[in-house]
Amino acid sequence: QSVLTQPPSASETPGQRVTISCSGSSSSIGSNYVYWYHQVPGTAPKLLIYRNNQRPSGVPDRFSGSKSGTSASLAISGLRSEDEAVYYCAAWDDSLNGVVFGGGTKLTVL
Amino acid sequence: EVQLVQSGAEVKKPGESLKISCMGSGYTFTNYWIGWVRQMPGKGLEWMGVIHPVDSDTRYSPSFQGQVTISVDKSIRTAYLQWSSLKASDTAIYYCARLGSSSLAVQYNWFDPWGQGTLVTVSS
Repeated sequence: QSVLTQPPSASETPGQRVTISCSGSSSSIGSNYVYWYHQVPGTAPKLLIYRNNQRPSGVPDRFSGSKSGTSASLAISGLRSEDEAVYYCAAWDDSLNGVVFGGGTKLTVL
Repeated sequence: EVQLVQSGAEVKKPGESLKISCMGSGYTFTNYWIGWVRQMPGKGLEWMGVIHPVDSDTRYSPSFQGQVTISVDKSIRTAYLQWSSLKASDTAIYYCARLGSSSLAVQYNWFDPWGQGTLVTVSS
């Protein structure tokens, strides 16, 4: 069981907006930055969002991150078929003294 | 281009030892922590630990402390993940990844970029 909780799946039609949630605790999300990675099956994960809401160069502004209290969310607008992937949230956990990941959310673009 | 290239897939028997590698290029290797992440078949990501190439300062996840050894050889820009006695439950894809900022502590940092992954299969 993952320390961070994500819904196992999400789906939406092309062009629409979807939000993926990530719930943690006071020792993880409540005290530290949240990161988002995405992974197309059969490939390595890639960084999508760092420090709660910062996009690395090359990540389109259709992707946005936010954090409030012990929860965070990733929003993807203008959905495209190539956005189909598994999305993972992550954060440092002060109690475990290490990085914890969510279980991943598989996004299907219908 | 910053790149991490990992060693190839391995098939081992329970009880055997193994050392897989991750070579960094395109950046100053000694400026950045490198970490390892496990992905068991059909499962999510698990943080195993990180190492700094300058002094081999290593931080392990409690779940992996004592189970694996993370090391580095800065002269050849390579980090390693090692097992002394493999178990079937070690079957997984192992990713190395560089921490994204050279100036931030581990707890304020992120993984970017990632290696391509090394599949380790342990079966009798």
